[in-house]
Amino acid sequence: SAVISQKPSRDICQRGTSLTIQCQVDSQVTMMFWYRQQPGQSLTLIATANQGSEATYESGFVIDKFPISRPNLTFSTLTVSNMSPEDSSIYLCSVEAGGPDTQYFGPGTRLTVL
Amino acid sequence: KQEVTQIPAALSVPEGENLVLNCSFTDSAIYNLQWFRQDPGKGLTSLLLIQSSQREQTSGRLNASLDKSSGRSTLYIAASQPGDSATYLCAVMNTGGFKTIFGAGTRLFVKA
Repeated sequence: SAVISQKPSRDICQRGTSLTIQCQVDSQVTMMFWYRQQPGQSLTLIATANQGSEATYESGFVIDKFPISRPNLTFSTLTVSNMSPEDSSIYLCSVEAGGPDTQYFGPGTRLTVL
Repeated sequence: KQEVTQIPAALSVPEGENLVLNCSFTDSAIYNLQWFRQDPGKGLTSLLLIQSSQREQTSGRLNASLDKSSGRSTLYIAASQPGDSATYLCAVMNTGGFKTIFGAGTRLFVKA
């Protein structure tokens, strides 16, 4: 299993600013994922972050807007840059631990952009 | 492109009722299907995972079925309790790339 923590748990930010979300895992994992859940909608994969390589972004998401760091096997950050109200969402970190069948999720970061 | 739909979007039932949540997906080439529970501030918890070769999985009061050919899954909750109140998400993992696609969820409220 894997236990995931995220910081901050929630934040309210001003338009045009940036926020960095941290994801910490209690065990070493190869694959980490960042998801966005907009109000009333399903989770959407933003990018896959493997340690030692550049993050792979899904269609509709770009590195300039959502830069990701993956400095080691237990930690990752997602930055939401130049925020607008449309970025208001829950951002979740997820890891695979034990194969593609076993995916664990962090508690999420609730972001509100004014 | 895989799309996952969950019906109903919200459901309110009295305690003790049995209920069924529905999930449908458009591409039958799936690796597995999972049902998650989402509680506010606590992330997602995996409830049941069904491999593509399986028809159902059971855990306690929960039973999930999978009909891959018709692109449907159901989550059956027996003898519902107020503690079951949460959002239930259906997610499929495609065979190509092992990406997980989520439905929008069913928000369940069980009244005491």
